[in-house]
Order: sequence, then C-alpha cells, then structure tokens
Amino acid sequence: SQTIHQWPATLVQPVGSPLSLECTVEGTSNPNLYWYRQAAGRGLQLLFYSVGIGQISSEVPQNLSASRPQDRQFILSSKKLLLSDSGFYLCAWSRMQIQAFFGQGTRLTVV
Amino acid sequence: KQEVTQIPAALSVPEGENLVLNCSFTDSAIYNLQWFRQDPGKGLTSLLLIQSSQREQTSGRLNASLDKSSGRSTLYIAASQPGDSATYLCAVLSSNDYKLSFGAGTTVTVRA
Repeated sequence: SQTIHQWPATLVQPVGSPLSLECTVEGTSNPNLYWYRQAAGRGLQLLFYSVGIGQISSEVPQNLSASRPQDRQFILSSKKLLLSDSGFYLCAWSRMQIQAFFGQGTRLTVV
Repeated sequence: KQEVTQIPAALSVPEGENLVLNCSFTDSAIYNLQWFRQDPGKGLTSLLLIQSSQREQTSGRLNASLDKSSGRSTLYIAASQPGDSATYLCAVLSSNDYKLSFGAGTTVTVRA
C-alpha cells in the first residue's frame, strides 16, 4: 500500500540554526511531491513541488530550499532559520488519477 | 496562476442541519479536485476525489459536485453532527504543471 513518512513530528530550533525535514514515500513510483507550510489558523501555502528527481519548482522566494535526491525522497532545508519560519510543515504526494496523500506534518517552532 | 477560493470562511450550524461548502478555481485545466478535512493541529484527511471528467462523487453523508467549465465545486454534508466540526479544504491538481493548489478552507462548527 502507499504510505508517506514525514519526520520529525515536532521540532524546536534556535534562530540561525539549520533545518532538514525529510519525507519519503512508499508503494508508488515517480510521484509528484509537495512541501506546504501552514501558519497558525491559516491555509496551506505551497512552498515547493517536484515532478521528478532533481526537478524542483519554488513557489515563494524565501529562506528555504528543497531537494529530491531520490525518486521517493523529498527534503526541505534551510541554512539559517528565521522566526518567521515557524509553522506546520506538510509533505504530500500525488499522481494524476489518484488522491493526494499527506504526511502527519512537522510542527516547527523557531525560538 | 491557479487561484482557489472557498466561501464561506467559517460556518456555524445546529446539529442536524445540512452543510453546503463552496470552492471555486480560476483555471479549468485540472486533473482532479479533492476535498480534505483537517482537525486542529492535525494533518489532512482525504474525503472525496473528483476526476475532471466526473460531475460528482458520494461517500456516506458527503456529496461533492464539480462543474469544471465554470470552475466550481460544492461539498454537501447531510444531517450534520458535532463530529463534523473541522476545517474543510479543497484542492485542485493542475494538468499544466502538476501543482496542487489549496483554498484557505471553511471552518465548520456544528452545535449540539
């Protein structure tokens, strides 16, 4: 069956520290992969999406970057976190004809 | 650029009343439209998926319609229950670039 793993579930990081969030998908190949951020009480903001290995589309210019080193692995990174990077980060995958699946999310607090 | 809008932003109804949630999108070049539910502090749970060639989908008390040409979808929840209280999000998958775009959501409160 298809599953998506996202970790860690919660993270507290100091301002200026680096960030690496990892998302992996099982049970499918060549998925479209997505990173979203949700601020408290707000909707989902699309940060990055990828339709293939090494192919990354950025939606919002910011302090974050994404990489897709393998077909089913999607990584969200930052070299130096800002307070404004705090939020709920969600990874998702989809294919054309089936529903999108979401990970459980990572709650990031930058202090 | 695809823009997804959900109206109303919030809705409060007494238990037993039917719910009508609206979603509109600006670009009709989509593969599908999906409705999700999100409970506070949690991830997203998929409710219904409507392919671009379909007009509606049903699951239990939920029914979603899609009018792709006019860029609209409606989610109906029959005989609402307090357990239906959550935020409901719609999302469209673009057939141009595979971007999955979300509306801001409708927060529903069902009063017992």
